[in-house]
Amino acid sequence: DSGVTQTPKHLITATGQRVTLRCSPRSGDLSVYWYQQSLDQGLQFLIQYYNGEERAKGNILERFSAQQFPDLHSELNLSSLELGDSALYFCASSTQGGGETQYFGPGTRLLVL
Amino acid sequence: AQSVAQPEDQVNVAEGNPLTVKCTYSVSGNPYLFWYVQYPNRGLQFLLKYITGDNLVKGSYGFEAEFNKSQTSFHLKKPSALVSDSALYFCAVRDQQAGTALIFGKGTTLSVSS
Repeated sequence: DSGVTQTPKHLITATGQRVTLRCSPRSGDLSVYWYQQSLDQGLQFLIQYYNGEERAKGNILERFSAQQFPDLHSELNLSSLELGDSALYFCASSTQGGGETQYFGPGTRLLVL
Repeated sequence: AQSVAQPEDQVNVAEGNPLTVKCTYSVSGNPYLFWYVQYPNRGLQFLLKYITGDNLVKGSYGFEAEFNKSQTSFHLKKPSALVSDSALYFCAVRDQQAGTALIFGKGTTLSVSS
C-alpha cells in the first residue's frame, strides 16, 4: 500500500458526460501528479500540482482540468467524454519533486461507452 | 527530445535464472532514473532510482539496476528470478521540461516460468 488513495476504483459512463476522479496523497506529500495509462499511448503525464498551485502540464486535453485543494487532495475533471478517454488514470504524490520518489495510487479505471 | 526506450516488449526467464530488463534514455544533462513494477489490476510500485552516486543501485525485492552514462542505459537486474516477479516493468526518467513529472517507457512484460 503506497498511502495514496484514489476513488472511485471503477467508473462507467457515456460519451458526452463529465466525471470527477479524486486523489488523496500520502501524508506530508505536497506534490500531486496525474497520469493516464492506455493501450495505445502508454503512461502519459497529464498535470502536476504542488501545494495547491499548478506546477506543470503534460499532454492534458482542454476538456480535462484539475485542482488541488487546501487539504492537498486533488480532483481530475474529465468532460465531454469520448470513447478514446477510456483508460486507467493514476494519481501519484511526492514530497516536493526532483529526485523525490513518486508513489502511485491504485488508479481509477474509466470506461466510456 | 527526452525519451525512454524499453526495447523488449517481453522477457522470458526460468525461475532461478538471472534476469535483465533493458532501458535506455535520452535526456540533456544528468538524468534522474526510476524503475516501477505493475502487477495486474494494481498501481505502480516503486522499485529503485538513480539520482547520483554509485552506478549500481539496489532496490526492493532483490532488484538492482546499473547506470551506464556512456551507453545511456539503466538496465534492471536480479540474480535469481522468482515466479512472483512476473509483472509489467516500467523505466522512467524525470522530465526536465515539465516540472518533476516522469516520462515512462512503454513497459516490458516479464514472465518467469517454473
